[in-house]
Amino acid sequence: AQSVTQLDSQVPVFEEAPVELRCNYSSSVSVYLFWYVQYPNQGLQLLLKYLSGSTLVKGINGFEAEFNKSQTSFHLRKPSVHISDTAEYFCAVGGGSNYKLTFGKGTLLTVNP
Amino acid sequence: EPEVTQTPSHQVTQMGQEVILRCVPISNHLYFYWYRQILGQKVEFLVSFYNNEISEKSEIFDDQFSVERPDGSNFTLKIRSTKLEDSAMYFCASSDRGRHTEAFFGQGTRLTVV
Repeated sequence: AQSVTQLDSQVPVFEEAPVELRCNYSSSVSVYLFWYVQYPNQGLQLLLKYLSGSTLVKGINGFEAEFNKSQTSFHLRKPSVHISDTAEYFCAVGGGSNYKLTFGKGTLLTVNP
Repeated sequence: EPEVTQTPSHQVTQMGQEVILRCVPISNHLYFYWYRQILGQKVEFLVSFYNNEISEKSEIFDDQFSVERPDGSNFTLKIRSTKLEDSAMYFCASSDRGRHTEAFFGQGTRLTVV
């Protein structure tokens, strides 16, 4: 079975500050990791994904994440956030024989002026 | 840019009634999924569908749920006899290669059972 823990349910930051949203996973098989973003009243949009290769992956809107197998983490980072980054961010894991993605509970990022 | 579309965006139904949630996946995708998110909780997998049959389903996907691809474009989720606890946001998703690829999500249908 796979599981995802997003350690922070809410993260308030000021505009232009750096941010890190934490994600830890548990899996008995090789994993594929994803970060999705959900803007208010919208669906889930893929920010970035790790399938294999380089452990540092870059996504849209200036976000990046680093896969750390030993710490079973896939934290999302952005060096300087904008007001428009305010949204809910979901970490998800897939892999093995599963078709499904297993999601974390989400982290609400609020960027204040 | 191709996208997954879901209708309706919001549906209110009485307990015990049947509802059908509709989705149009991205046209060249072969794998289809339904997820749901109860308010304040995590997004949960319901079912995956490939080659006109269910490829995986969760414990949530019991006999009151069914999925269908009635034609070449639509993918539906039917809930036969809705319960209050079925109230949630339901997301449809599709992917082109299954397990190891990105799933594209629709905007969701908010189902409210009263």
